[in-house]
Amino acid sequence: DIQMTQSPSSLSASVGDRVTITCRASQSIIRYLNWYQQKPGKAPKVLIYSASTLQSGVPSRFSGSGSGTDFTLTITSLQPEDFATYYCQQSYSTPRTFGQGTKVEIK
Amino acid sequence: EVQLVESGGGLVQPGGSLRLSCAASGFTFSSYEMNWVRQAPGKGLEWVSYISSSGTTIYYADSVKGRFTISRDNPKNSLYLQMNGLRAEDTAVYYCARETSPVVGAWGPFDIWGQGTMVTVSS
Repeated sequence: DIQMTQSPSSLSASVGDRVTITCRASQSIIRYLNWYQQKPGKAPKVLIYSASTLQSGVPSRFSGSGSGTDFTLTITSLQPEDFATYYCQQSYSTPRTFGQGTKVEIK
Repeated sequence: EVQLVESGGGLVQPGGSLRLSCAASGFTFSSYEMNWVRQAPGKGLEWVSYISSSGTTIYYADSVKGRFTISRDNPKNSLYLQMNGLRAEDTAVYYCARETSPVVGAWGPFDIWGQGTMVTVSS
């Protein structure tokens, strides 16, 4: 199974900050990497797929990069509605493993 | 409106069974691969099972293999998860999720999720 490791597990940031979350795969997943946002009590929502493609309707302050084993989700100018937990997921092989999540909290 | 609605969750004793359902609307259900994903209280997301659009290809997480069965009824626009031999560690919110494939022949993200249904396994 491919293991997905996110860092950090949590972070505190202020509105307007630039935030970067990293995700590392235990083997190459080429660019089959997706990012999700989940707010408390809600279902996850896809933000980025294929490592860097923005899902329709997602604000452009979200961006993704990377290939192979190392990937990054960047939020430029953090907004109040961005405080949530973010998960990466590989769609290269089954099982479709998720990272453990990164909780973005208000500083 | 594109929508997935889960039902069938509840409280069950260890060793018991439950059948979850997921009703799809607003899209051509038979054209999409579907998945079940679960989330234990306060924990992260765990993929559970996959079924192809025709129902001919199925995968399970090792943690549920041999106990859970995924199925679908395309004419009824419905996805199911039959859960037998339930354990305390199966306690979670269960989500059904539609998979989209941006590249032909490759798997893709889960772009539509239901609201989830809670399964609690406890005596």
